[in-house]
Amino acid sequence: DTAVSQTPKYLVTQMGNDKSIKCEQNLGHDTMYWYKQDSKKFLKIMFSYNNKELIINETVPNRFSPKSPDKAHLNLHINSLELGDSAVYFCASSYRTSNNEQFFGPGTRLTVL
Amino acid sequence: AQSVTQLGSHVSVSEGALVLLRCNYSSSVPPYLFWYVQYPNQGLQLLLKYTSAATLVKGINGFEAEFKKSETSFHLTKPSAHMSDAAEYFCAVSDGFGNEKLTFGTGTRLTIIP
Repeated sequence: DTAVSQTPKYLVTQMGNDKSIKCEQNLGHDTMYWYKQDSKKFLKIMFSYNNKELIINETVPNRFSPKSPDKAHLNLHINSLELGDSAVYFCASSYRTSNNEQFFGPGTRLTVL
Repeated sequence: AQSVTQLGSHVSVSEGALVLLRCNYSSSVPPYLFWYVQYPNQGLQLLLKYTSAATLVKGINGFEAEFKKSETSFHLTKPSAHMSDAAEYFCAVSDGFGNEKLTFGTGTRLTIIP
């Protein structure tokens, strides 16, 4: 049983296109996150939602728009893709307490050509 | 704001030798500290976490870490390295008080020499 799943696993697209990545968790958590891991493996949080409400919004271009239809899903839509958007995007989920483990999905490797 | 520094982006140890991965943190409030492991082409998996209970924390796969407030450190150790330990290791900090954001270090790639 997959705890945190992401689709697609790989995404190759041209500059200027719009794409979406989907995330689902079946752990009953109330908080979900998007992280970006760059080519040097550096991980940085982008967004976090708690019960469908945006609670963390780091300095991310407006081209990135998260959407949470319910607390088990958090999608990431990216408009006008740029070369610099190439990275691995990880979804994670947890209960909303700061000492709780975040469970990570397998990642989506986005390549912008 | 909290931050984490991992000394050594690459660490190589022989199979059976001690593993020591270093992590120092900076936080204005008592921190919560985590070690995650990332195997190639996979997501992150929690190894262990410090949440102000015992300062010596035991995790999965024989790893442990000790919280030392005086040194602002949370180094990860394992007495005897195994080939399967080869991976990327990340230290992370959360500053509590409902702030769930994890701030990660830059990671340490652990290589095991047969």
